[in-house]
Amino acid sequence: AQSVAQPEDQVNVAEGNPLTVKCTYSVSGNPYLFWYVQYPNRGLQFLLKYITGDNLVKGSYGFEAEFNKSQTSFHLKKPSALVSDSALYFCAVRDSSTDKLIFGTGTRLQVFP
Amino acid sequence: DAGITQSPRHKVTETGTPVTLRCHQTENHRYMYWYRQDPGHGLRLIHYSYGVKDTDKGEVSDGYSVSRSKTEDFLLTLESATSSQTSVYFCAIKKREPRDTQYFGPGTRLTVL
Repeated sequence: AQSVAQPEDQVNVAEGNPLTVKCTYSVSGNPYLFWYVQYPNRGLQFLLKYITGDNLVKGSYGFEAEFNKSQTSFHLKKPSALVSDSALYFCAVRDSSTDKLIFGTGTRLQVFP
Repeated sequence: DAGITQSPRHKVTETGTPVTLRCHQTENHRYMYWYRQDPGHGLRLIHYSYGVKDTDKGEVSDGYSVSRSKTEDFLLTLESATSSQTSVYFCAIKKREPRDTQYFGPGTRLTVL
């Protein structure tokens, strides 16, 4: 079965420090991987995706994600966190057999001033 | 902005009553989805549609039905609401570009008393 895991329920980081939100996946075939962000009382917003090509994917709001095939990971990163980055982040993988997205349980990022 | 609206945005209802949630899109996308979001579960797919009158079940379809009589509207119906269906419901569409990326509406918060 194809799945995605976000091992941390919450990540705390000080403003200005680098941040990492972790995601690991299990799929058959080549993975399509996504990151979404959800601000309070809002819908999910697309941040970035990996299908093929460079292992470092750049997305919206200064975020990037590193695809690592050997570790089956797709961690979200940002060099310098902002208080406004505080939100709920979801990793997702496309199930290649059904073409549906499978979401992780989410990681709450808290950036402290 | 993916041109998706959901109505109502908030609803409180009683156990046993029927409830219909509406998703409306303005960009003529073929694929539409209904998810529910619950703490500790992330987003789970309820039903999806791949065209007018073409729908299929997702991961958590029991107790829900859907209809799509027009490209722009995708309705989710709870025939007889239960307290376990208290959740936040999100509609999504899939755009061709960026490839296979889903975009989400603002959500409907449903409380079943």
